[in-house]
Amino acid sequence: ETGVTQTPRHLVMGMTNKKSLKCEQHLGHNAMYWYKQSAKKPLELMFVYSLEERVENNSVPSRFSPECPNSSHLFLHLHTLQPEDSALYLCASSQHTTGYQPQHFGDGTRLSIL
Amino acid sequence: DAKTTQPPSMDCAEGRAANLPCNHSTISGNEYVYWYRQIHSQGPQYIIHGLKNNETNEMASLIITEDRKSSTLILPHATLRDTAVYYCIVRQGGSEKLVFGKGTKLTVNP
Repeated sequence: ETGVTQTPRHLVMGMTNKKSLKCEQHLGHNAMYWYKQSAKKPLELMFVYSLEERVENNSVPSRFSPECPNSSHLFLHLHTLQPEDSALYLCASSQHTTGYQPQHFGDGTRLSIL
Repeated sequence: DAKTTQPPSMDCAEGRAANLPCNHSTISGNEYVYWYRQIHSQGPQYIIHGLKNNETNEMASLIITEDRKSSTLILPHATLRDTAVYYCIVRQGGSEKLVFGKGTKLTVNP
């Protein structure tokens, strides 16, 4: 139990569907992150939120839309995805975006695009 | 962030110490060394981090050389559940970026 919970664990969707991934952290952290892990590729940082403000967007296509309503919750809204978007999507949190404290990860959502 | 180099794979016998090396020869003064591991179908798990001094916690020990150009993660008594990919990451203080490489796949054998 890492204190970061992601739902659903698995998601299969068509290219025209709209779905959302949810992340909740119970660690009292102020920063939250979305990462993408494709098969046989290193983790890629997608978005960074600090105190509910987006501080980084690593050139992610607009079909991925993040939302951070409060410091404990993070969503990734998905719309019109492509087959190459099939991957493990990981959420992480840390005390702050600066400093030396580690990020703690959830177990991810395994997304498959048909 | 400095690049790290790790062996792609290692084997260890159950109950023995697992020593995982990492080279980070271009590390700069304010960069910390972090270790994570990822067990199949799970998210990365934080293990330990350090700057200069050796560190120990309930999971592992981190030995950093005096010149800080390399480090070793030590699992003192490896179990089958320690089979995972281990990532050594160098991260600049004040940066939110964790740059994961390919890591070392550690297999603990019975």
